[in-house]
This record gives sequence, structure tokens and C-alpha cells, in this order.
Amino acid sequence: QSALTQPASVSGSPGQSITISCTGTSSDVGGYNYVSWYQQHPGKAPKLMIYDVSNRPSGVSNRFSGSKSGNTASLTISGLQAEDEADYYCSSYTSSSTLVFGTGTKVTVL
Amino acid sequence: QVQLQESGPGLVKPSETLSLTCAVSGYSISSGYYWGWIRQPPGKGLEWIGSIYHSGSTYYNPSLKSRVTISVDTSKNQFSLKLSSVTAADTAVYYCARQRSSARLDYWGQGTLVTVSS
Repeated sequence: QSALTQPASVSGSPGQSITISCTGTSSDVGGYNYVSWYQQHPGKAPKLMIYDVSNRPSGVSNRFSGSKSGNTASLTISGLQAEDEADYYCSSYTSSSTLVFGTGTKVTVL
Repeated sequence: QVQLQESGPGLVKPSETLSLTCAVSGYSISSGYYWGWIRQPPGKGLEWIGSIYHSGSTYYNPSLKSRVTISVDTSKNQFSLKLSSVTAADTAVYYCARQRSSARLDYWGQGTLVTVSS
């Protein structure tokens, strides 16, 4: 299975909104509403931010939102804050009953 | 609160078998859900290794399937990973996590670094 495609880096100024894309195929992202997004700060374990395309776990800021169109899912961070600077990974359930991660995106707050 | 903790050798010799255990607290594995392993080579991205259902059904990453075995011990409330014939490319931080049916990983261990070197 091939990793989902994400941009290597995205940046924005405090208060701005940024969007990270996650492109797969009809066998993963496009075939199921089972896309998740994770935030990872250096040296820390990943943290679930979005699940089932657009749902937020309890405790996650509503500045984080998710969507999907066709084979591409997106994570939007609005009102960008310094604490949002981290690596972000998408993941998807696949037609083989496995899970595949995206290549990862480094978010920089300017 | 669900907590997961990985344990095992931090150094493994090439061609040997890497063995890790994940102890779960705050939730009984036998109650349900999947339990998975994920790894991250230094400076690189996440890779899903595989998962096991509480009943014992397993699912593996096709690229690692021939070398991976995941098992569960409900009596000890833990699950384990074995990766055979390791090489330097298997050097990574290994995480265990609870995997929901929609494949989301909602609770993670802190991770443990395993280095493959002679």
C-alpha cells in the first residue's frame, strides 16, 4: 500500500487559516469516510485531532476541522496559533482492512 | 483513563527478532476494539505495522506481513509485536495504540526507540 500524499510543509501567520491536503485513491480515502488526522510535536506521540473525516474528539479545539472531496481529504486550522506548530499526518482505512498514513506535513507558524 | 506503555529491548542485533509488549491500563482488552502497532524511523513519517482484534484476528501491513506477528494476552491485558529478520531499516520509535473500527487511533503509548545494530 502506498502512503497518502501530503505537502511537505505549510506555513501561516498567527490568526490566519491554513489547509493541509491528503490525497489517496478510491481504495482508501475515496472509498471510506474513515480519514483521521494526527498532530505530533517533536519527541511526542501523535495526538488524534480529527476522525471519520470531520469529527473532533473531546478536548480538541474547534479551530481544527476536516473535510473530504473525492480522493482528497483536508485539514483546516483556523486562527493559527504558535502551539499549532507541529507535524500533521492523515490516515485512512483501506479496502484491504489495513490502515495507511500520509507522508506528513510540517506546519510552521511565521 | 486509558493508558498504554511499550516495553522491550532498546537494542536488537541485525537478523534477530524484535520483541515488544504493550501493557494496557484503564480498559480491558477483552472488552473490544483493535490494538495496533505503529513505527516511526528517526526523522521520518509514521508507518502502520498491524493490529489485532481482542478475539485474536490480525491485520498486517502488506510490506511487513512476512516478518510480523502480533498477539494478545487478555489475562495480562497486554499485546505484543514480533518482527523477525531485522535490519538497520527497522530502527524506529515503536508506538502501540488503541485502534477503533474506523481505524482511528485514539490512545497512544509514549513510544520506545528500538535500534538495530551489532
